[in-house]
Amino acid sequence: DAMVIQNPRYQVTQFGKPVTLSCSQTLNHNVMYWYQQKSSQAPKLLFHYYDKDFNNEADTPDNFQSRRPNTSFCFLDIRSPGLGDAAMYLCATSPEGGFGSQPQHFGDGTRLSIL
Amino acid sequence: KNEVEQSPQNLTAQEGEFITINCSYSVGISALHWLQQHPGGGIVSLFMLSSGKKKHGRLIATINIQEKHSSLHITASHPRDSAVYICAVQFTGTASKLTFGTGTRLQVTL
Repeated sequence: DAMVIQNPRYQVTQFGKPVTLSCSQTLNHNVMYWYQQKSSQAPKLLFHYYDKDFNNEADTPDNFQSRRPNTSFCFLDIRSPGLGDAAMYLCATSPEGGFGSQPQHFGDGTRLSIL
Repeated sequence: KNEVEQSPQNLTAQEGEFITINCSYSVGISALHWLQQHPGGGIVSLFMLSSGKKKHGRLIATINIQEKHSSLHITASHPRDSAVYICAVQFTGTASKLTFGTGTRLQVTL
């Protein structure tokens, strides 16, 4: 089945130790999103790529970076994780980034814990 | 201001009951999404609506554009329906960016 796949499902890292989360998609969608979801809260958009065009949300900390080497893969890098970065990180895709209605397809998420 | 409100925040129902979750939003939209998230899990897209009504199995989603309101109904609820249901909208002019409601936590008991 065409999917949005996130690896790993669970990631544990140490305070301040860089960590990378990965997302891949077989849908050939142009747009890929990264969301952060803390416990009992709504997902919060960190950034998205429209093709190779990177779009950062104004309140996304500088500690968070992203790479999209090709259509299928997108990475979330956290340079120096703090305790407040412990959360579920969700990747999603949509066919286009235009102004019409766009379905979004979500991965299962990576739950990040900080020791 | 672009806002999405859901009610109720928490809902407990017995198996077989008809369930309604409500979502209202502040300004014009290009689409509204209903999403499902099981505890500790990822998000599954249930419906995307821009008008009218959609049905999939025991789930029905409706939207009233004039009233800026949508409902998600679950008929003959089952314990496996227990999850958080999230309303998310694409406000007009914000491209594909979603604004999320805070979710409704549903618990269906035997």
